[in-house]
Amino acid sequence: GAVVSQHPSRVICKSGTSVKIECRSLDFQATTMFWYRQFPKQSLMLMATSNEGSKATYEQGVEKDKFLINHASLTLSTLTVTSAHPEDSSFYICSARDKTSGGPWQYFGPGTRLTVT
Amino acid sequence: QQQVKQSPQSLIVQKGGIPIINCAYENTAFDYFPWYQQFPGKGPALLIAIRPDVSEKKEGRFTISFNKSAKQFSLHIMDSQPGDSATYFCAASTGNQFYFGTGTSLTVIP
Repeated sequence: GAVVSQHPSRVICKSGTSVKIECRSLDFQATTMFWYRQFPKQSLMLMATSNEGSKATYEQGVEKDKFLINHASLTLSTLTVTSAHPEDSSFYICSARDKTSGGPWQYFGPGTRLTVT
Repeated sequence: QQQVKQSPQSLIVQKGGIPIINCAYENTAFDYFPWYQQFPGKGPALLIAIRPDVSEKKEGRFTISFNKSAKQFSLHIMDSQPGDSATYFCAASTGNQFYFGTGTSLTVIP
């Protein structure tokens, strides 16, 4: 149980275009979903926290107009990178908390590799 | 400011050895301390976690030792195997605040 999926796993886009990444909790309802960014050989950097039906809370330094997060249901959150540029190329990972368990643990998705050319 | 400090940055051990990865924190409000394992190109996977009211927790070959007074915790991997080669992250959290360490790249030599 406790599986989180991400789609797509890899995406290549041209500079100036927008890319949407989906994060789904497959077998549980998620009270909260998190979006992280990870550069090669570095730790995960929290970008934003989102609760179903409410606006996401962005970490300091993360442009909310560039990284649009929509948490439309208890099993789906999306991250849209708008007007992507090469410096947005990174590994994006989502995670989710299980509503029923009430625990603090996060289940992570497999990540999405974004390459902006 | 790094909320969770992790060391070493990299670690090489022989098969069967016991690698130890250490983490330290300052915020006494943290109430949950997980360890994650990450393989290249994959998301982190929860290995084991501990609460501050417990000094040690063991799951299979993985053991967390927790020292509340020193605000330190560590991961021990018993009888390490080449398949354990990965990056390990400690983390600390309270509420929706969740902070990762900088990661330790572990290589287990056959």
